[in-house]
Amino acid sequence: AAGVIQSPRHLIKEKRETATLKCYPIPRHDTVYWYQQGPGQDPQFLISFYEKMQSDKGSIPDRFSAQQFSDYHSELNMSSLELGDSALYFCASFKGSSRGMETQYFGPGTRLLVL
Amino acid sequence: AQSVTQLDSQVPVFEEAPVELRCNYSSSVSVYLFWYVQYPNQGLQLLLKYLSGSTLVKGINGFEAEFNKSQTSFHLRKPSVHISDTAEYFCAVSDRYNQGGKLIFGQGTELSVKP
Repeated sequence: AAGVIQSPRHLIKEKRETATLKCYPIPRHDTVYWYQQGPGQDPQFLISFYEKMQSDKGSIPDRFSAQQFSDYHSELNMSSLELGDSALYFCASFKGSSRGMETQYFGPGTRLLVL
Repeated sequence: AQSVTQLDSQVPVFEEAPVELRCNYSSSVSVYLFWYVQYPNQGLQLLLKYLSGSTLVKGINGFEAEFNKSQTSFHLRKPSVHISDTAEYFCAVSDRYNQGGKLIFGQGTELSVKP
């Protein structure tokens, strides 16, 4: 079965640079979530989209922005990168239009290292 | 708002021994409950979930968990662990009335299975 795809899997950037992370949800899933997991930390919710509209917002810095496109893939744009942005960034997909509680399926993550 | 507390940050156990990973949650509304496993350098994989019905939930890899509403707990158990169960385990909740809502994770429990 198709899974959530994230690209790139690894990314190294310098401070103050920008980064774009991409997430391709499972086919027919219309909801995407972004989570940030710092070293030794639990995943923290950043932002989510349902049907291309922002549905919820968590502890996402103003330097970050995200959107969901017509094909339901999502991109997380990160500017003015700081050392503290080094983390594993997960995308999860969900079928929001389904009845009952479907499961959020997680991608493998993008590991971002800011030097 | 919801919060999740995993009472043990590290649980060392010998192979073939039973194990229990403890999870307590706090919420002003009804929640769905999940356990995810994260193997080293990998993404999050769903072990099991409690949505409704029987309070004893069986998941993959021989794990099970019991929902206790009065104690607001959702402890994860396995009667006999294997070396391959060594991983980080996360308990998570989401708001039952916000279908497709974000997951709130606990701090994680590192399960280390020794031969």
